[in-house]
Amino acid sequence: EPEVTQTPSHQVTQMGQEVILRCVPISNHLYFYWYRQILGQKVEFLVSFYNNEISEKSEIFDDQFSVERPDGSNFTLKIRSTKLEDSAMYFCASSEGTGRETQYFGPGTRLLVL
Amino acid sequence: GESVGLHLPTLSVQEGDNSIINCAYSNSASDYFIWYKQESGKGPQFIIDIRSNMDKRQGQRVTVLLNKTVKHLSLQIAATQPGDSAVYFCATLLSGQNFVFGPGTRLSVLP
Repeated sequence: EPEVTQTPSHQVTQMGQEVILRCVPISNHLYFYWYRQILGQKVEFLVSFYNNEISEKSEIFDDQFSVERPDGSNFTLKIRSTKLEDSAMYFCASSEGTGRETQYFGPGTRLLVL
Repeated sequence: GESVGLHLPTLSVQEGDNSIINCAYSNSASDYFIWYKQESGKGPQFIIDIRSNMDKRQGQRVTVLLNKTVKHLSLQIAATQPGDSAVYFCATLLSGQNFVFGPGTRLSVLP
């Protein structure tokens, strides 16, 4: 069964450093998403991406964040200058269509900012 | 603004019993709802969804009930099994692709 994959599974970084989280969505999906989940808290929407551009983003997704689809398979989330409060689990998801289409989540990348 | 919440943070049930997990939402314009299951160390996994033009939807061992009058959503799991132990989230569609998740209920299945 096709699945969303994410790398790395764990990332430790120093405050102020840049990190890139990588995702490979399901191959025939057209919509891609990033969510984050701070430890013990609920899943929060960050951004959605379609047709090589951001289609929607939340208040959390400020100028420190960016997303890119550098090739036909990868979808990345970059945090330019990490802060302690960026420590969280970051989930990538993809769907065939938008809105009421099922989103399939990856296993997540656990980011720890020291 | 939209908020989605749960009535109970934890739920313990005996194996074989039925489980009911509840969720409340605040935006009456919400028209699509999903239940996710999240096992430890994994991403959320889609269980079942329901649109606002329905009151009930059934899947394999799971049923979702939607009460739009009181803005309440529930997930019923029949004959709960040890493999059902996980955190369960409800989520509602706030706008085009922006899903709002509830904080989650941890379901523990007792032998």
